[in-house]
Amino acid sequence: GESVGLHLPTLSVQEGDNSIINCAYSNSASDYFIWYKQESGKGPQFIIDIRSNMDKRQGQRVTVLLNKTVKHLSLQIAATQPGDSAVYFCAENTLGQNFVFGPGTRLSVLP
Amino acid sequence: SAVISQKPSRDICQRGTSLTIQCQVDSQVTMMFWYRQQPGQSLTLIATANQGSEATYESGFVIDKFPISRPNLTFSTLTVSNMSPEDSSIYLCSAMGQAYEQYFGPGTRLTVT
Repeated sequence: GESVGLHLPTLSVQEGDNSIINCAYSNSASDYFIWYKQESGKGPQFIIDIRSNMDKRQGQRVTVLLNKTVKHLSLQIAATQPGDSAVYFCAENTLGQNFVFGPGTRLSVLP
Repeated sequence: SAVISQKPSRDICQRGTSLTIQCQVDSQVTMMFWYRQQPGQSLTLIATANQGSEATYESGFVIDKFPISRPNLTFSTLTVSNMSPEDSSIYLCSAMGQAYEQYFGPGTRLTVT
């Protein structure tokens, strides 16, 4: 169903610091996860993905960690920049079926 | 990665009218989807656009209100029919690649007056 409420959780981070955005997923059978970044007025942008046979995956300035035991996913952004300000969504997929999206977290980078 | 375009990018429509949104992918993809996103909220799946057959709708969405076409592997349309102000939202097209990775278009911002 649709999320309710207009107030997204917000994370405020000082420019240059590292950011950690968390996501709890619902289905223990989910085997594929994607983090998206959505800037105002744009569609969600694919950042990084991870499959359930991995615990960690690194990209450019981003790292995704997967803890299947507690059904938790995190996105770490190193040396956060003003251009990282956006809403971040996690999405889980089970056996190639439809993705289920989390409620989103707004990242605000302070100068 | 797949590059997805949507037309129109935004529109303002009168209640009772219909709007058709077009989605074009730059490569052949296995699955295409349509989502709705209210301001400040997450994404809600409307339907899966099936090539050559009727779309598969999620609970709460019906074909009469949101007819969908997918005549080939790279193109789909979503029509929002008999619009009311409650239909004001962002409509997003997405496509899934063979490894299940999913990409999104830029969205269509619809305002119904």
